[in-house]
Amino acid sequence: AQSVSQHNHHVILSEAASLELGCNYSYGGTVNLFWYVQYPGQHLQLLLKYFSGDPLVKGIKGFEAEFIKSKFSFNLRKPSVQWSDTAEYFCAVTTNTGFQKLVFGTGTRLLVSP
Amino acid sequence: GAGVSQSPRYKVAKRGQDVALRCDPISGHVSLFWYQQALGQGPEFLTYFQNEAQLDKSGLPSDRFFAERPEGSVSTLKIQRTQQEDSAVYLCASFVGGSTNEKLFFGSGTQLSVL
Repeated sequence: AQSVSQHNHHVILSEAASLELGCNYSYGGTVNLFWYVQYPGQHLQLLLKYFSGDPLVKGIKGFEAEFIKSKFSFNLRKPSVQWSDTAEYFCAVTTNTGFQKLVFGTGTRLLVSP
Repeated sequence: GAGVSQSPRYKVAKRGQDVALRCDPISGHVSLFWYQQALGQGPEFLTYFQNEAQLDKSGLPSDRFFAERPEGSVSTLKIQRTQQEDSAVYLCASFVGGSTNEKLFFGSGTQLSVL
C-alpha cells in the first residue's frame, strides 16, 4: 500500500523567508500528487496537484511543487512566505484506481512570524 | 449550498453511546468520501460512495462503524458503542466524479470527543 512521509512536523519562519516542505511517497506505479492546506479554523483546500506533464507545478498563492520521480518526492516551495501562509500543509497521493482515494501525510504546521 | 456541509460541528459522547454524523455534499456531486483525522495526524480514508453505492469501505476501523447514502446525496456516518479511540475529526469530501482530474471539496468536519 502507498504511504506518504512529511519529515518536517513543525516549521517556523519569518516573513519573506523561503519555504520548502518535504514530501516523499512510497508506491512503484503511477501516482497523482497533491498538496492541501488547512488555514486555522478552515477546511482543507487544494493548493496544487500533479497528474502528468511538466513536473514543476504552480498552484495558488505563489506556491509551487516539483515532482522528482527518481526520488519519489513532491516538495512544496514558496520563495517568500507571508504571515497569512500560517497553516497546516498536507501532502497526499492517489493511484490510478479509478477514484480519488487520497493517502495523506501527517502534515506540517507552518508558523510565519511577522 | 456553496460547499460541503457537516453537522454537528462538535459532538461529545459518553463511552458506549451511539452517534450519527451528517454530511451534505455539494449538489450534484456523485462521489463522497469519509475520512478520520486523529489529533496530530493526516486524514485517513474510511469509505467511498459513488451515488448511493458504497464502493469501498476498507478503511472503516471496525464493525461499529457504518456509513450510508441512501438517496445518493446526504450521507450519514454512524458509530455504535463509541470508544475513546474514536475521538477524532471526521471529514466528509465530495467531487463531481467521473474523472481523476477532479478535486475534492472538504467539509469543515465534525469533532467527536468520547469521554
